[in-house]
Amino acid sequence: EDKVVQSPLSLVVHEGDTVTLNCSYEVTNFRSLLWYKQEKKAPTFLFMLTSSGIEKKSGRLSSILDKKELSSILNITATQTGDSAIYLCAVGNNNAGNMLTFGGGTRLMVKP
Amino acid sequence: NAGVTQTPKFQVLKTGQSMTLQCAQDMNHNSMYWYRQDPGMGLRLIYYSASEGTTDKGEVPNGYNVSRLNKREFSLRLESAAPSQTSVYFCASSEGWGQGSAKNIQYFGAGTRLSVL
Repeated sequence: EDKVVQSPLSLVVHEGDTVTLNCSYEVTNFRSLLWYKQEKKAPTFLFMLTSSGIEKKSGRLSSILDKKELSSILNITATQTGDSAIYLCAVGNNNAGNMLTFGGGTRLMVKP
Repeated sequence: NAGVTQTPKFQVLKTGQSMTLQCAQDMNHNSMYWYRQDPGMGLRLIYYSASEGTTDKGEVPNGYNVSRLNKREFSLRLESAAPSQTSVYFCASSEGWGQGSAKNIQYFGAGTRLSVL
């Protein structure tokens, strides 16, 4: 059974701080790792990392995949209150079609 | 740009009642999914449809049924609601199935918050 664990469960920082969110996984035949941001409603896609694309960056957000350590980090620099959300990590398995296994999420709160 | 649309947004049921959650996507995606989200447990897959005309069980299918009505629509039915089914339900879609590319990215609807009393 595939497994995804995220840490920390929750995090409170102040605007301007840098945060690092962690995701570790166990999967029989790794295909991809996806990060989503969930504010009040729908999770929205941030990044997809694969064996051929282990590093992604968009503005203040960046993510790295470590296939050796079976983990990924999501970095957010110069945090803003608008970054407050739940961040979800999900892993795809080549043996499971397009099904994703999600972690429990990290709840980030950014205070002014 | 509607994307994935779910109805209703909120619903309160009594134990034993039935209801259908509706989902429609306008992105011409082949695959659709139903998840439930409970506090601290992330998203768990209930059922999915890899392509029009096919459906299959996910991680937590008990107590649910689905119908892939056409390429756009995928509904989730609770035949006899139980308090354990109180949750937030999300529908998602993706362009492809089993292909290692951006076609695997799943796009989500805004969710249905369901309470079963």
